[in-house]
Amino acid sequence: QVQLVESGGGVVQPGGSLRLSCAASGFTFSSYGMHWVRQAPGKGLEWVAFIRYDGSNKYYTDSVKGRFTISRDNSKNTLYLQMNSLRAEDTAVYYCAKVYVSTYLDYWGQGTLVTVSS
Amino acid sequence: EIVLTQSPATLSLSPGEVATLSCRASQSVSSYLAWYQQKPGQAPRLLIYDASNRATGIPARFSGSGSGTDFTLTISSLEPEDFAVYYCQQRSNWIFTFGPGTKVDIK
Repeated sequence: QVQLVESGGGVVQPGGSLRLSCAASGFTFSSYGMHWVRQAPGKGLEWVAFIRYDGSNKYYTDSVKGRFTISRDNSKNTLYLQMNSLRAEDTAVYYCAKVYVSTYLDYWGQGTLVTVSS
Repeated sequence: EIVLTQSPATLSLSPGEVATLSCRASQSVSSYLAWYQQKPGQAPRLLIYDASNRATGIPARFSGSGSGTDFTLTISSLEPEDFAVYYCQQRSNWIFTFGPGTKVDIK
């Protein structure tokens, strides 16, 4: 069965960096694009970034462009999100999710909490 | 960027009632719209894709309709496990957006 397990969350000071990981299993990871989606406490879902199956193209929401980098290692079945210059408004649960028919997100991890606070 | 709006923000209903949730797009998304369900402390779950196709394992009481800019998610007879928040989602030019959500709570 498909499993996505995020890790790497924690508490970081404003301006700091953090790298999230998402370990994938149960499907051919190298054949699917992957997303990061976040959810601030008590708020709705916000799409963060998408990477195509081979890493050839990456897309970001405007608020993280230039600060976050999505990447993947298909040999390790792992997705990453490098987050730099973190701000208080980046505080959220971060989910990784598998793409479905190019447009949708059919499997999600359980999420990892990132808290940006001094 | 295409903006999705959802109404109502909260829907208070009793088990067995029909729930009708609306999602409106600021521009046409054709039929490329999905619905997700999220319960407290859980990840979202894909319910409906391409506006009207149920995802794998989704009960038949969930149905979607619409095209262009106006979409509807209908839950034909609410079960206790259906009380949750529902989000619509679209993709345009490789930018993905979610609506703000509709909370379906117990009346």
